[in-house]
Amino acid sequence: IAMTQSPATLSVSPGERATLSCMAGQSATNNLAWYQQKPGQAPRLLIYGAFIRATGIPVRFSGSGSGPLFTLTINRLQSEDFAVYYCQQYDNWPGTFGQGTKVEIK
Amino acid sequence: QVQLVESGGGVVQPGRSLRLSCAVSGFIFSDHAMHWVRQAPGKGLESVAFISSDGITKSYADSVKGRFTISRDNSKNTVYVQLNSLTAEDTAVYYCARVGSALDYWGQGTLVTVSS
Repeated sequence: IAMTQSPATLSVSPGERATLSCMAGQSATNNLAWYQQKPGQAPRLLIYGAFIRATGIPVRFSGSGSGPLFTLTINRLQSEDFAVYYCQQYDNWPGTFGQGTKVEIK
Repeated sequence: QVQLVESGGGVVQPGRSLRLSCAVSGFIFSDHAMHWVRQAPGKGLESVAFISSDGITKSYADSVKGRFTISRDNSKNTVYVQLNSLTAEDTAVYYCARVGSALDYWGQGTLVTVSS
């Protein structure tokens, strides 16, 4: 299943909202995860099951949607949220990642 | 606490082989499937291989099928990936990850550089 993320880059001011999209090439189940990656670090799981926050993830991160279109929303962006975000489908392992969306400071 | 520590990376010539290891602690290893993901320099994440908790079911990305082999030793709390017939396109940081709620824990990665 091919995963397409948009936009490639999103410029947002601190305190504003960021909305990231992920399109599954085939209509997928809700086996959809979102990860955050900062430079030099391993990815971190944010959302699984399309909308369930992982342990310790702040409530400003929320996932929504259903196959084939999914959305990650980050409310009131904080400085530590500027990073690259990846979606991943895991209907079948190994899952497929999108190409990533970079959220940068405007 | 949950820990995953990869090892075995390095510089290798094209066509040669390498075996990566991922030693885990802090959870019951035999209860979880495991996964390898790689990231080429400046690029995105790519799933590489999956292995079920009992080691019976394995699956691979098309880009590595026939060249990479994933395995595990539940007595040693370690998952492996054997990389054969390496090319420059295999140069990447290789991460192991636990399959729980999606990929819920990750190691810090080990760098594989394929170069003559």
